[in-house]
Amino acid sequence: DAGVIQSPRHEVTEMGQEVTLRCKPISGHDYLFWYRQTMMRGLELLIYFNNNVPIDDSGMPEDRFSAKMPNASFSTLKIQPSEPRDSAVYFCASSFRFRGDEQYFGPGTRLTVT
Amino acid sequence: AQKVTQAQTEISVVEKEDVTLDCVYETRDTTYYLFWYKQPPSGELVFLIRRNSFDEQNEISGRYSWNFQKSTSSFNFTITASQVVDSAVYFCALSARSITQGGSEKLVFGKGTKLTVNP
Repeated sequence: DAGVIQSPRHEVTEMGQEVTLRCKPISGHDYLFWYRQTMMRGLELLIYFNNNVPIDDSGMPEDRFSAKMPNASFSTLKIQPSEPRDSAVYFCASSFRFRGDEQYFGPGTRLTVT
Repeated sequence: AQKVTQAQTEISVVEKEDVTLDCVYETRDTTYYLFWYKQPPSGELVFLIRRNSFDEQNEISGRYSWNFQKSTSSFNFTITASQVVDSAVYFCALSARSITQGGSEKLVFGKGTKLTVNP
């Protein structure tokens, strides 16, 4: 399997612009997770989906962030409008189950908002 | 609430030394899972091991070993005869249900321990 695929790998944008991050999970995995990694806060779970349905979005920082999963093989994380404090590495991960299963992480998208 | 503490922010050793990375967790859930992930300089997160709360048997995989002790809520990771390629940030993580958040499952990561192995 190709593993979890994320695009773009790097994104540089100006404050106020819309940013869309993309993720393709491992085929057959029912769960998809979006994480954010920063030096200050470490790895934080933003939202996760089960069978394309958002289950827990309590980690989404604010309304500027939204995530969708229109089908089993694709998810997006959108930030609109972006702010410099959104600069971070965003990881997508997937797993077959949630409870007790390891999550397989994508390579991450390094977002820089100037 | 779930919490994972990795007290060691950075560790530096010389090649061939043994090194232990500490992990202490907190949860009220009686069934939970513990993980270790490795993040090399390239940035990806690599799964190393999973342990459930009912299995306290220690595990060894090559130069890696893990010591799970429920009595002290610890899940420590030891690398024997460290190598330069072991240089990475290592994360301990806990998957458990949150009593205060409607029982939703959460995977919570520690802040990580940066290991540098010098030649």
